[in-house]
Amino acid sequence: AQTVTQSQPEMSVQEAETVTLSCTYDTSESDYYLFWYKQPPSRQMILVIRQEAYKQQNATENRFSVNFQKAAKSFSLKISDSQLGDAAMYFCAYKSQGGKLIFGQGTELSVKP
Amino acid sequence: DVKVTQSSRYLVKRTGEKVFLECVQDMDHENMFWYRQDPGLGLRLIYFSYDVKMKEKGDIPEGYSVSREKKERFSLILESASTNQTSMYLCASSLLVRVSGNTIYFGEGSWLTVV
Repeated sequence: AQTVTQSQPEMSVQEAETVTLSCTYDTSESDYYLFWYKQPPSRQMILVIRQEAYKQQNATENRFSVNFQKAAKSFSLKISDSQLGDAAMYFCAYKSQGGKLIFGQGTELSVKP
Repeated sequence: DVKVTQSSRYLVKRTGEKVFLECVQDMDHENMFWYRQDPGLGLRLIYFSYDVKMKEKGDIPEGYSVSREKKERFSLILESASTNQTSMYLCASSLLVRVSGNTIYFGEGSWLTVV
């Protein structure tokens, strides 16, 4: 069975600085999707970035980028130039070809002014 | 505007009651999911469905069942609610087939308190 692990329950970053959130997963599949979601206090899930496993190039969305290491089964999120609005719970997620979608435990990110 | 709607945002139920949580999507999605979210545990998959009348157990199906009689509706059922089922429940949906982006849509969550 697939699993997703986020080993950092909490992280803190200074405004305008860079922070990296870690995520590892376990799977025997060769093709799948990986996601990072942001959940603010409203609890609405917001897609931050997605990566397709067959693509070797790391995905980038403005200040957000990933370091996808397929062999190591690692999928970290880097947030550059952190802003106060980035403070939220961040979830790493894995979606199999069969459609099953599972999440990690989450990392609570705080941004200090 | 695409939508996943969870009919009840806040519920308070008594121990032993049968509880229904409803989720409806208007995007003709094959996949639908039910999760519960608890502090420190993230989102844990209870059940998911990949088509009408089709379902698969997730990681924590004990104490829950589901129903998918129509494509747009996926119901989560607590046959006999217990206090340890107090949680926030989140519904999601997505297309089954591999399409570019494979976007997942979420409902707003249902807060269930069992007393």
